[in-house]
Amino acid sequence: EPEVTQTPSHQVTQMGQEVILRCVPISNHLYFYWYRQILGQKVEFLVSFYNNEISEKSEIFDDQFSVERPDGSNFTLKIRSTKLEDSAMYFCASSRQTADSPLHFGNGTRLTVT
Amino acid sequence: RKEVEQDPGPFNVPEGATVAFNCTYSNSASQSFFWYRQDCRKEPKLLMSVYSSGNEDGRFTAQLNRASQYISLLIRDSKLSDSATYLCVVNAEYGNKLVFGAGTILRVKS
Repeated sequence: EPEVTQTPSHQVTQMGQEVILRCVPISNHLYFYWYRQILGQKVEFLVSFYNNEISEKSEIFDDQFSVERPDGSNFTLKIRSTKLEDSAMYFCASSRQTADSPLHFGNGTRLTVT
Repeated sequence: RKEVEQDPGPFNVPEGATVAFNCTYSNSASQSFFWYRQDCRKEPKLLMSVYSSGNEDGRFTAQLNRASQYISLLIRDSKLSDSATYLCVVNAEYGNKLVFGAGTILRVKS
């Protein structure tokens, strides 16, 4: 069964540094997402991406964050000048059709900001 | 009212028990409903979609009550491997995205 893959599985960075989290969505899916989950809290929507542009973003997704689809397969989340409170699991997801379709998640990147 | 609310539990049940979770949602116009399962520090995995007429998948039954704006998940003959957090997911009141509840913890004990 096709999978969403994410790299790295764990990223440790110092406060103020930039990180790039990478994702390869399922190949025939059209919608891509980033969600995050702070330890012990719920899964929160960050951003959705369709047709090479952001279709929606949450209030969490401020100027510190950006997304890109640099080629036909990768989907990246960049966090500039990381803060301690950015420490979380970051999940990439994709869906085949509309944003109401079931999401297929990657196994996540655990980001630790020290 | 929160967009999606769930009883956090934990629900501690013996193997073989039947257990039910409820979830309420605020968006009366929601059309998409799902139950996801999340194991500790893992990604959410789709358990089942929830259809208006209710649906069943083996030991799992999902139901939707639009009038009261809640969905339910029933697990029959619980297994140790059912121990996980069960996430209720609904499309958002504003915007075109799926919103997650905080989850209900299930612990099945032998």
